[in-house]
Amino acid sequence: QVQLVESGGGVVQPGGSLRLSCAASGFIFSSSGMHWVRQAPGKGLDWVAFIRYDGSNTYYAVSVKGRFTVSRDDSKNTLDLQMNSLRSEDTAVYYCARVLPRAQVSAFDMWGQGTMVTVSS
Amino acid sequence: QSMLTQPPSASGTPGQRVTISCSGSNSNIGSNTVNWYQELPGTAPKLLIHSNNQRPLGVPDRFSGSKSGTSASLAISGLQSEDEADYYCAAWDGSLNGLVFGGGTKLTVL
Repeated sequence: QVQLVESGGGVVQPGGSLRLSCAASGFIFSSSGMHWVRQAPGKGLDWVAFIRYDGSNTYYAVSVKGRFTVSRDDSKNTLDLQMNSLRSEDTAVYYCARVLPRAQVSAFDMWGQGTMVTVSS
Repeated sequence: QSMLTQPPSASGTPGQRVTISCSGSNSNIGSNTVNWYQELPGTAPKLLIHSNNQRPLGVPDRFSGSKSGTSASLAISGLQSEDEADYYCAAWDGSLNGLVFGGGTKLTVL
């Protein structure tokens, strides 16, 4: 079954850390660029981070740079997002998404169901 | 703050044609392809148009995309009630070295 499944969301205090994971199945994960995208309650889509198919480069939104780290383990078909120094404005549903093969990196053809992160004291 | 500008809302009656605009700059739409996503209530976004005007398999040909200079448009013809959703444009921004989304357009089918 071709799918992405996120996990690791929850409630964390401001300043705390959380690690999200995205399990991929049904396609060649090692050939796919991957993104994290978030959506705060009632708000629009907000790009978070991107990692190239071979892990050679990573890119981050200004709002998370220096606090979040995206990584991948092709042996386990997993994508991770380490989130440190969390702020209330990081509260959102976090999605992982796959780059459409042979398209530019802004085209995501597969999304997970999302995992909720709530930053609150 | 979104780097791509979309109207917050749009509306039409069944059977009508509606268009949603997306305005950017030379560093994003002007030099990279545009993609459109449809977000139905309570579901993850879905790729509707990629590479400015290409429809993924399974997307009806009622949906079309175009790009000119630093602007892009999504057109929906033969509007149906199930098209009621939020629509987002997206493009890579070479100056930011990151991806930018539009703020989203809520489409209402009257």
